[in-house]
Amino acid sequence: QQPVQSPQAVILREGEDAVINCSSSKALYSVHWYRQKHGEAPVFLMILLKGGEQKGHEKISASFNEKKQQSSLYLTASQLSYSGTYFCGTEWSGGGADGLTFGKGTHLIIQP
Amino acid sequence: EAQVTQNPRYLITVTGKKLTVTCSQNMNHEYMSWYRQDPGLGLRQIYYSMNVEVTDKGDVPEGYKVSRKEKRNFPLILESPSPNQTSLYFCASSLHSGGLEAFFGQGTRLTVV
Repeated sequence: QQPVQSPQAVILREGEDAVINCSSSKALYSVHWYRQKHGEAPVFLMILLKGGEQKGHEKISASFNEKKQQSSLYLTASQLSYSGTYFCGTEWSGGGADGLTFGKGTHLIIQP
Repeated sequence: EAQVTQNPRYLITVTGKKLTVTCSQNMNHEYMSWYRQDPGLGLRQIYYSMNVEVTDKGDVPEGYKVSRKEKRNFPLILESPSPNQTSLYFCASSLHSGGLEAFFGQGTRLTVV
Protein backbone atom coordinates (compact mmCIF):
# COMPACT_ATOMS: atom_id res chain seq x y z
CA GLN A 1 0.00 0.00 0.00
CA GLN A 2 1.54 3.25 -1.17
CA PRO A 3 2.25 5.99 1.38
CA VAL A 4 0.33 9.21 0.77
CA GLN A 5 2.30 12.31 -0.09
CA SER A 6 1.09 15.89 0.14
CA PRO A 7 0.98 18.29 -1.49
CA GLN A 8 1.00 16.86 -5.01
CA ALA A 9 2.72 19.95 -6.33
CA VAL A 10 4.11 23.20 -5.03
CA ILE A 11 5.53 26.30 -6.71
CA LEU A 12 7.89 28.52 -4.76
CA ARG A 13 10.07 31.53 -5.28
CA GLU A 14 13.76 31.06 -4.69
CA GLY A 15 14.50 31.52 -0.99
CA GLU A 16 11.10 30.35 0.26
CA ASP A 17 10.55 27.31 2.45
CA ALA A 18 8.63 24.12 1.66
CA VAL A 19 7.31 21.16 3.61
CA ILE A 20 6.44 17.83 2.01
CA ASN A 21 4.52 15.26 3.99
CA CYS A 22 4.37 11.48 3.79
CA SER A 23 1.98 9.30 5.75
CA SER A 24 1.37 5.59 5.97
CA SER A 25 -1.40 3.41 7.32
CA LYS A 26 1.15 0.76 8.31
CA ALA A 27 3.64 0.70 11.21
CA LEU A 28 6.87 1.85 9.64
CA TYR A 29 10.45 0.71 10.13
CA SER A 30 11.98 3.44 8.01
CA VAL A 31 11.22 6.34 5.72
CA HIS A 32 13.47 7.24 2.80
CA TRP A 33 13.47 10.48 0.82
CA TYR A 34 14.61 10.78 -2.79
CA ARG A 35 14.66 13.58 -5.33
CA GLN A 36 14.27 12.97 -9.05
CA LYS A 37 14.98 15.34 -11.91
CA HIS A 38 12.93 14.80 -15.05
CA GLY A 39 14.04 11.66 -16.91
CA GLU A 40 16.80 10.87 -14.43
CA ALA A 41 17.23 8.31 -11.67
CA PRO A 42 16.02 9.10 -8.16
CA VAL A 43 18.79 10.44 -5.95
CA PHE A 44 18.98 9.53 -2.28
CA LEU A 45 18.52 12.33 0.25
CA MET A 46 18.17 10.66 3.63
CA ILE A 47 16.75 7.79 5.69
CA LEU A 48 14.91 8.04 8.97
CA LEU A 49 14.53 5.01 11.18
CA LYS A 50 11.72 4.53 13.68
CA GLY A 51 12.44 6.40 16.87
CA GLY A 52 11.34 9.91 15.86
CA GLU A 53 14.84 10.85 14.70
CA GLN A 54 15.28 14.07 12.81
CA LYS A 55 18.01 14.32 10.21
CA GLY A 56 19.52 17.18 8.32
CA HIS A 57 21.62 17.65 5.24
CA GLU A 58 22.52 21.20 4.14
CA LYS A 59 19.22 23.09 4.06
CA ILE A 60 17.15 19.94 3.74
CA SER A 61 15.99 18.12 6.85
CA ALA A 62 13.34 15.59 7.77
CA SER A 63 11.47 14.23 10.74
CA PHE A 64 9.68 10.96 11.46
CA ASN A 65 6.76 10.76 13.84
CA GLU A 66 6.55 7.09 14.68
CA LYS A 67 3.25 7.41 16.56
CA LYS A 68 1.50 8.96 13.59
CA GLN A 69 3.49 7.02 10.94
CA GLN A 70 4.26 10.31 9.27
CA SER A 71 7.38 11.92 7.93
CA SER A 72 7.98 15.46 6.76
CA LEU A 73 10.72 16.81 4.53
CA TYR A 74 11.71 20.43 5.14
CA LEU A 75 13.43 22.52 2.48
CA THR A 76 14.56 25.89 3.77
CA ALA A 77 15.68 28.87 1.71
CA SER A 78 15.01 26.90 -1.45
CA GLN A 79 17.41 27.08 -4.37
CA LEU A 80 16.70 26.60 -8.08
CA SER A 81 18.53 23.27 -7.89
CA TYR A 82 15.88 21.95 -5.49
CA SER A 83 13.35 21.70 -8.31
CA GLY A 84 12.24 18.18 -9.09
CA THR A 85 9.95 15.46 -7.86
CA TYR A 86 10.33 14.28 -4.29
CA PHE A 87 9.41 10.74 -3.32
CA CYS A 88 9.12 9.18 0.06
CA GLY A 89 9.74 5.46 0.27
CA THR A 90 8.61 3.46 3.26
CA GLU A 91 9.53 0.11 4.75
CA TRP A 92 7.00 -1.26 7.15
CA SER A 93 7.86 -3.03 10.36
CA GLY A 94 6.34 -6.35 9.40
CA GLY A 95 7.48 -6.28 5.82
CA GLY A 96 10.55 -8.45 5.93
CA ALA A 97 12.27 -8.18 2.58
CA ASP A 98 9.48 -6.31 0.78
CA GLY A 99 11.72 -3.31 0.34
CA LEU A 100 10.62 0.21 -0.43
CA THR A 101 7.09 1.27 -1.29
CA PHE A 102 7.07 4.74 -2.80
CA GLY A 103 4.49 7.48 -2.72
CA LYS A 104 3.25 9.12 -5.91
CA GLY A 105 5.60 12.03 -5.54
CA THR A 106 5.49 15.78 -4.94
CA HIS A 107 6.46 18.07 -7.81
CA LEU A 108 8.46 21.05 -6.59
CA ILE A 109 9.05 24.00 -8.88
CA ILE A 110 11.37 26.77 -7.75
CA GLN A 111 11.11 30.03 -9.68
CA PRO A 112 13.75 32.76 -9.71
CA GLU B 1 32.88 3.90 -9.32
CA ALA B 2 29.95 2.35 -7.45
CA GLN B 3 27.04 2.10 -9.80
CA VAL B 4 23.99 0.27 -11.06
CA THR B 5 24.00 -0.14 -14.83
CA GLN B 6 20.92 -0.78 -16.91
CA ASN B 7 20.76 -1.60 -20.59
CA PRO B 8 19.35 -0.52 -22.89
CA ARG B 9 18.49 3.06 -21.95
CA TYR B 10 15.81 3.29 -24.62
CA LEU B 11 13.90 0.53 -26.37
CA ILE B 12 11.03 0.49 -28.81
CA THR B 13 9.57 -2.92 -29.54
CA VAL B 14 6.46 -4.57 -30.92
CA THR B 15 3.76 -6.39 -29.02
CA GLY B 16 4.67 -9.98 -28.25
CA LYS B 17 8.37 -9.83 -28.99
CA LYS B 18 10.30 -11.11 -25.98
CA LEU B 19 12.83 -8.73 -24.49
CA THR B 20 15.25 -8.52 -21.59
CA VAL B 21 16.41 -5.45 -19.73
CA THR B 22 19.70 -6.05 -17.97
CA CYS B 23 20.75 -4.68 -14.60
CA SER B 24 24.18 -5.02 -13.06
CA GLN B 25 25.67 -3.61 -9.85
CA ASN B 26 29.31 -3.54 -8.77
CA MET B 27 28.80 -2.98 -5.04
CA ASN B 28 28.33 -6.60 -3.93
CA HIS B 29 24.80 -5.77 -2.86
CA GLU B 30 22.55 -8.59 -1.76
CA TYR B 31 19.22 -6.86 -2.39
CA MET B 32 18.03 -5.84 -5.84
CA SER B 33 14.66 -4.75 -7.16
CA TRP B 34 12.83 -3.52 -10.24
CA TYR B 35 10.40 -0.61 -10.39
CA ARG B 36 8.26 0.88 -13.08
CA GLN B 37 7.40 4.55 -13.12
CA ASP B 38 4.27 5.90 -14.75
CA PRO B 39 2.97 9.50 -14.67
CA GLY B 40 0.97 10.19 -11.53
CA LEU B 41 1.62 6.73 -10.07
CA GLY B 42 5.12 7.08 -8.69
CA LEU B 43 7.51 4.13 -8.51
CA ARG B 44 5.88 0.74 -8.19
CA GLN B 45 7.86 -2.38 -7.35
CA ILE B 46 7.72 -5.23 -9.86
CA TYR B 47 10.01 -7.87 -8.37
CA TYR B 48 12.74 -8.02 -5.78
CA SER B 49 15.55 -10.36 -4.84
CA MET B 50 17.14 -10.84 -1.44
CA ASN B 51 20.09 -12.78 -2.80
CA VAL B 52 21.15 -15.27 -5.46
CA GLU B 53 18.29 -17.57 -6.46
CA VAL B 54 15.88 -15.78 -4.08
CA THR B 55 13.24 -13.66 -5.83
CA ASP B 56 9.71 -12.59 -5.01
CA LYS B 57 6.85 -10.59 -6.45
CA GLY B 58 6.36 -6.93 -5.75
CA ASP B 59 3.18 -4.94 -6.23
CA VAL B 60 2.85 -5.19 -10.04
CA PRO B 61 4.50 -8.47 -11.19
CA GLU B 62 2.03 -9.48 -13.92
CA GLY B 63 3.70 -9.86 -17.31
CA TYR B 64 7.25 -9.85 -15.95
CA LYS B 65 9.85 -12.40 -14.95
CA VAL B 66 13.21 -12.06 -13.26
CA SER B 67 16.17 -14.24 -12.43
CA ARG B 68 19.09 -13.92 -10.04
CA LYS B 69 21.75 -16.41 -11.04
CA GLU B 70 24.64 -14.17 -10.04
CA LYS B 71 24.80 -11.65 -7.24
CA ARG B 72 25.63 -8.72 -9.49
CA ASN B 73 22.96 -9.27 -12.18
CA PHE B 74 19.19 -9.04 -12.02
CA PRO B 75 17.61 -9.05 -15.50
CA LEU B 76 13.98 -8.16 -16.12
CA ILE B 77 12.28 -10.30 -18.73
CA LEU B 78 9.12 -9.48 -20.64
CA GLU B 79 8.06 -12.70 -22.35
CA SER B 80 5.26 -11.15 -24.39
CA PRO B 81 5.27 -7.37 -24.03
CA SER B 82 2.04 -5.44 -24.36
CA PRO B 83 1.41 -1.70 -24.81
CA ASN B 84 0.42 -1.33 -21.14
CA GLN B 85 4.00 -2.19 -20.26
CA THR B 86 5.19 1.00 -21.91
CA SER B 87 6.91 2.73 -19.01
CA LEU B 88 10.15 3.96 -17.46
CA TYR B 89 11.88 1.14 -15.62
CA PHE B 90 14.41 1.43 -12.82
CA CYS B 91 16.62 -1.17 -11.24
CA ALA B 92 17.82 -0.54 -7.69
CA SER B 93 20.16 -2.26 -5.27
CA SER B 94 21.10 -1.99 -1.60
CA LEU B 95 23.49 -3.87 0.63
CA HIS B 96 20.54 -5.73 2.11
CA SER B 97 16.91 -5.00 2.77
CA GLY B 98 15.96 -2.84 5.72
CA GLY B 99 16.92 0.76 6.38
CA LEU B 100 19.68 1.21 3.84
CA GLU B 101 20.08 3.55 0.89
CA ALA B 102 18.90 2.23 -2.45
CA PHE B 103 21.08 2.96 -5.48
CA PHE B 104 19.20 3.36 -8.73
CA GLY B 105 20.21 2.67 -12.29
CA GLN B 106 19.74 5.35 -14.95
CA GLY B 107 16.47 3.93 -16.15
CA THR B 108 15.18 2.21 -19.28
CA ARG B 109 12.45 3.87 -21.27
CA LEU B 110 10.43 1.13 -22.95
CA THR B 111 7.81 1.69 -25.61
CA VAL B 112 5.70 -1.23 -26.80
CA VAL B 113 3.74 -0.59 -30.00
